[in-house]
Amino acid sequence: EAQVTQNPRYLITVTGKKLTVTCSQNMNHEYMSWYRQDPGLGLRQIYYSMNVEVTDKGDVPEGYKVSRKEKRNFPLILESPSPNQTSLYFCASRRVGRQHYGYTFGSGTRLTVV
Amino acid sequence: QKEVEQNSGPLSVPEGAIASLNCTYSDRGSQSFFWYRQYSGKSPELIMSIYSNGDKEDGRFTAQLNKASQYVSLLIRDSQPSDSATYLCAVNPYSSNTGKLIFGQGTTLQVKP
Repeated sequence: EAQVTQNPRYLITVTGKKLTVTCSQNMNHEYMSWYRQDPGLGLRQIYYSMNVEVTDKGDVPEGYKVSRKEKRNFPLILESPSPNQTSLYFCASRRVGRQHYGYTFGSGTRLTVV
Repeated sequence: QKEVEQNSGPLSVPEGAIASLNCTYSDRGSQSFFWYRQYSGKSPELIMSIYSNGDKEDGRFTAQLNKASQYVSLLIRDSQPSDSATYLCAVNPYSSNTGKLIFGQGTTLQVKP
């Protein structure tokens, strides 16, 4: 089944403790992206990647890191999480083409930082 | 001004009616436009994409694009209770094909039996 897989689905952590949310896609998509979703603010793009070793900032990159060492994986790293990073996170991927084809989203990771 | 704007709703329609959802965007260079559906607690699901001015139909859904007015809409015919969800408008804000995709805050649709 073609899909984007995120882990974990739920995570509660403490301020300052480094964490990684993994994301993997099995569709051979070139583009991958991370979003966060907050009530009243909607979906906001954190980072995106157009290929291996090629990443760019979205609208809210502060406090996050990403890496794209393999085409299928795009982990999101929070080096020192803070309570304002409590949110619902989505990883997404899409194929490259002449047009923007729109992203396919994973199931989401609900992160709570206390 | 927000880059992609939608009325948050809720928009309430009776079962069988046409639901009309609207979206405006600020970047005139935008070329790609999408409608996503998101059920509560679930991830966004792509339902329509549109790239050219005019209408694009897919089953009960019709997307309409007017680049001169910077306006995108989604019509849902014969609305069903299962269509009750939040509908997100998304725009690739540049004339070039990048990984960037900006979402509106979404419109909540309620279809009443």
